[in-house]
Amino acid sequence: DQQVKQNSPSLSVQEGRISILNCDYTNSMFDYFLWYKKYPAEGPTFLISISSIKDKNEDGRFTVFLNKSAKHLSLHIVPSQPGDSAVYFCAASYGGATNKLIFGTGTLLAVQP
Amino acid sequence: DVKVTQSSRYLVKRTGEKVFLECVQDMDHENMFWYRQDPGLGLRLIYFSYDVKMKEKGDIPEGYSVSREKKERFSLILESASTNQTSMYLCASRSPTGAFFGQGTRLTVV
Repeated sequence: DQQVKQNSPSLSVQEGRISILNCDYTNSMFDYFLWYKKYPAEGPTFLISISSIKDKNEDGRFTVFLNKSAKHLSLHIVPSQPGDSAVYFCAASYGGATNKLIFGTGTLLAVQP
Repeated sequence: DVKVTQSSRYLVKRTGEKVFLECVQDMDHENMFWYRQDPGLGLRLIYFSYDVKMKEKGDIPEGYSVSREKKERFSLILESASTNQTSMYLCASRSPTGAFFGQGTRLTVV
């Protein structure tokens, strides 16, 4: 049972345009959400997070939006750069700030020059 | 700077071998995790630990065990390696705001 879903395995975007990566979840108890970026043969690196008490969090070119009623979150990257090409994972947790993270299956973003 | 270090980047082992994957963090975090990453399946949790000598099964613990004798070190053990355990293994250490990952170990079982 996949509690965190990323339904788009891949996404291709032109450099300078907006990239929108989507994530859906089924467990209403999730209270903290994170996005990670992963290059091949490396560990994931943290990008941005959001608590369930908020609906938006912004950090530079990255913005995460949370829609609790739809159980949906999205990551916006503006403007997209070729170096953003990587696999992006969303993750969720509940029941404590240091509890386990449950990950989605990932979306491969390709930013074309 | 936060650091999670996995002992090997690449490993090749034979079927039936006992395999140890080591992970060390320098952040004094209590919670540590082992995930494996496979194409199309994302990161799946194998085991996690909330404290020294404490461990809990994740979603796919079969064929694995763990050891946490010291707070900074969390080891994943493949008791008898099999070809379906060929994967990228990722160790993580958790803070209240997120998880920090090691660089990963690409294990191939032949």
